[in-house]
This record gives sequence, C-alpha cells and structure tokens, in this order.
Amino acid sequence: AQSVTQPDIHITVSEGASLELRCNYSYGATPYLFWYVQSPGQGLQLLLKYFSGDTLVQGIKGFEAEFKRSQSSFNLRKPSVHWSDAAEYFCAVGVRGYQKVTFGTGTKLQVIP
Amino acid sequence: GAGVSQSPSNKVTEKGKDVELRCDPISGHTALYWYRQRLGQGLEFLIYFQGNSAPDKSGLPSDRFSAERTGESVSTLTIQRTQQEDSAVYLCASSLGVEQPQHFGDGTRLSIL
Repeated sequence: AQSVTQPDIHITVSEGASLELRCNYSYGATPYLFWYVQSPGQGLQLLLKYFSGDTLVQGIKGFEAEFKRSQSSFNLRKPSVHWSDAAEYFCAVGVRGYQKVTFGTGTKLQVIP
Repeated sequence: GAGVSQSPSNKVTEKGKDVELRCDPISGHTALYWYRQRLGQGLEFLIYFQGNSAPDKSGLPSDRFSAERTGESVSTLTIQRTQQEDSAVYLCASSLGVEQPQHFGDGTRLSIL
C-alpha cells in the first residue's frame, strides 16, 4: 500500500538555526511530491513541489527540498528559521497520472527565541 | 473570488442533526477535494471530484456522508445524523487537474454537541 511517513511529530528549533523536516514515501511508481504549511486556524499553503528534473527544488519563504529516489525521501530544509515559521508542515505524495494525493500526518514546528 | 471559499467557517450542531458544508473552488479548477482533519491529526481524504464526477469516494467514513458537485463549481458535503466523532475541521481544496498543486480553503470547524 502507498504511504507517506513524517517521523517527527514535533520539532523545536531556536530562531536562526537550520531546519530539516523528514518525509519518506512508499510508492511503486514515479511520485510527484509537495510540501504544505498550515498556520493555526487556516488551510494549507503550498511551499514547493517536485514533478521532475532538478531534484533540489526551491520554494517560498526560503524553503527548499531535495528528492532522493534511492532513499524514497523528500526532506524539507531551511538554513535559518524565523519565529514566523512556527506552524505545522505536511508532506504529500501522488502517483503520476493519478489525481489523489496522500498526506503525511504532519510535523509541528516550534521556534524558540 | 481569488481563493477557495468555504462556508460556514464554524458550525455547532446537536447530535443527530444533518449538516451541509459548502465549498466554492477557484474558478476554472476542474478538480475538487474534501478532507477531514481531527484535532491534532493529519488530513484524512474523503472524496474528490473531477468535473462533476466523483471517481474516488473511498474515503467517506460511512453512508451518513455524501457529497455532490454541480456546474463544475460549487460542492456540498452533507453529513446526516451527525455523531460526536464527526467533530473536526473539514477542508476543501481545488486544483487545475491531475498532478497539479491543491489550493485549500480555511475549512469549516464542525462541533457536534
């Protein structure tokens, strides 16, 4: 069965520190991948997406993610975290040619001064 | 409007009542999705529409849940004989089609007393 795993439920980082949020998927076919962010009381906002080509993709708000097929991973990174980055982050994976996307369970990011 | 609009934003109702949730997608988006997000949890897929057809209803939890879409636009999610476990935020998203990013509304927070 297809699945998406975000192993870290909750992460705390200091403001200005680097960040890496993990996402692993289990799919038999070529995936397409997204990262979304959700602030409290709001819907999800797209940070970045990967379909093909360069495996390092840049997104909004200074985020980037790297697709590693050999590790079935699509980890999200940011070099220097800002207090406004505190939110919940969701990884999502779909199969090429299919509409349905499966979301991970999310990682809640806390930023401390 | 510019984004996905959901109404009402909040709904409180008594157990056993029927509720209807509305989603207005972004104009021109052929695909529409419904998700449920329980407190502190990830997104649970309910159903998606391609045009007015629902190719995948596999996520609907029970026959108390139904959804329809008309005019390749507005969609309504109906929950009959509500139960307390139906309490959650119901999120709607739309996209241009297969493999395209989803754009989310802010959700309807449903509370069953």
